[in-house]
Amino acid sequence: GIQVEQSPPDLILQEGANSTLRCNFSDSVNNLQWFHQNPWGQLINLFYIPSGTKQNGRLSATTVATERYSLLYISSSQTTDSGVYFCAVDYNQGGKLIFGQGTELSVKP
Amino acid sequence: NAGVTQTPKFQVLKTGQSMTLQCAQDMNHNSMYWYRQDPGMGLRLIYYSASEGTTDKGEVPNGYNVSRLNKREFSLRLESAAPSQTSVYFCATRAGLNSGELFFGEGSRLTVL
Repeated sequence: GIQVEQSPPDLILQEGANSTLRCNFSDSVNNLQWFHQNPWGQLINLFYIPSGTKQNGRLSATTVATERYSLLYISSSQTTDSGVYFCAVDYNQGGKLIFGQGTELSVKP
Repeated sequence: NAGVTQTPKFQVLKTGQSMTLQCAQDMNHNSMYWYRQDPGMGLRLIYYSASEGTTDKGEVPNGYNVSRLNKREFSLRLESAAPSQTSVYFCATRAGLNSGELFFGEGSRLTVL
């Protein structure tokens, strides 16, 4: 099956700093999504981004499907950005959506 | 508009007991999913249902059964619970088979003693 790898596994930032999270995948994918899991366990969809670049406020994402990676940018980080960030990929036509192991982000005041 | 609702939110079982986790969505979505989340393991797909009447195995289906009761409901059953099934279980839905944003329920924390 497909391998989905996220880096770094952990990241500690000072409030106001910028960061880039990476998601690599080992095979062609139909689409890719980024999620944020907050400290209370809720999973929120951030971006649905099979290719190209999208922006939403301080967050943006870029997927380069031909090179099998996606990047999530967080600018001017805030303590509320803390939590775990997951990417997930559709890699066949059957509807399986597979997650990476996540990047745990901690933003300190 | 509740979105995706899971019940129960917490459950403690003894080894060998059975139970069913329920998931219901009011988003008129076709595809429904069950994931488990364990520390350091991310979310792993147990079973999914691309549409009413179909179910397929995911990455870790052993020890589980599912039923897509209708378009709204997708249940996950543990016939004989084992301590290795202690986990947080998430139900999720999306509009299409290979497309659409995935929406999650709030999770169900299961402990098997």
